Amino acid sequence: ETGVTQTPRHLVMGMTNKKSLKCEQHLGHNAMYWYKQSAKKPLELMFVYSLEERVENNSVPSRFSPECPNSSHLFLHLHTLQPEDSALYLCASSQDWKANSPLHFGNGTRLTVT
Amino acid sequence: GNSVTQMEGPVTLSEEAFLTINCTYTATGYPSLFWYVQYPGEGLQLLLKATKADDKGSNKGFEATYRKETTSFHLEKGSVQVSDSAVYFCALSVRYGGSQGNLIFGKGTKLSVKP
Repeated sequence: ETGVTQTPRHLVMGMTNKKSLKCEQHLGHNAMYWYKQSAKKPLELMFVYSLEERVENNSVPSRFSPECPNSSHLFLHLHTLQPEDSALYLCASSQDWKANSPLHFGNGTRLTVT
Repeated sequence: GNSVTQMEGPVTLSEEAFLTINCTYTATGYPSLFWYVQYPGEGLQLLLKATKADDKGSNKGFEATYRKETTSFHLEKGSVQVSDSAVYFCALSVRYGGSQGNLIFGKGTKLSVKP
């Protein structure tokens, strides 16, 4: 039990579909993150939420839309994706958004865009 | 800018061999340094960390020492096991004069340990 749960584990979608990834943390943390993990590339930070407010958006295309309704839940809404968006999407949380506050990761959603 | 460079993998070792995975960094400010591990089919887990120069992080037999003079944070283990097979990520985080920082990861090094 990692304390951070992501659903679904696997998702296959067409380029015209709309889907959402869900993340839930049971650790009482105040910060939540979305990362993208592609083969042979470093993990890419996509979004950061601290106390339910977005504090970081690293030039992510608008076809990815995050939502943080409360400190325990984080969503990533997907629409009109491209095949190059296929990757493992990792959610993480931390006690607070500080330099030495370690991240706790979920097991990820493996996304395939056809 | 801030960046992390790890040795290219994959690394294949026999059980009980000595492990070193090199990691060097460039950073402005005063970084904290981390090693994360990702087992197959799972997310990343914090393995160890060091927050200032000369600190040694250790966990599960793994060690890494924060070397400011060589800007390095090499991961070592004296005797690896098959269960250590995973991908290892070096990362840094920098606090900019009181403002917040985010983790910057290396590309990861895949370790395979054979019985």
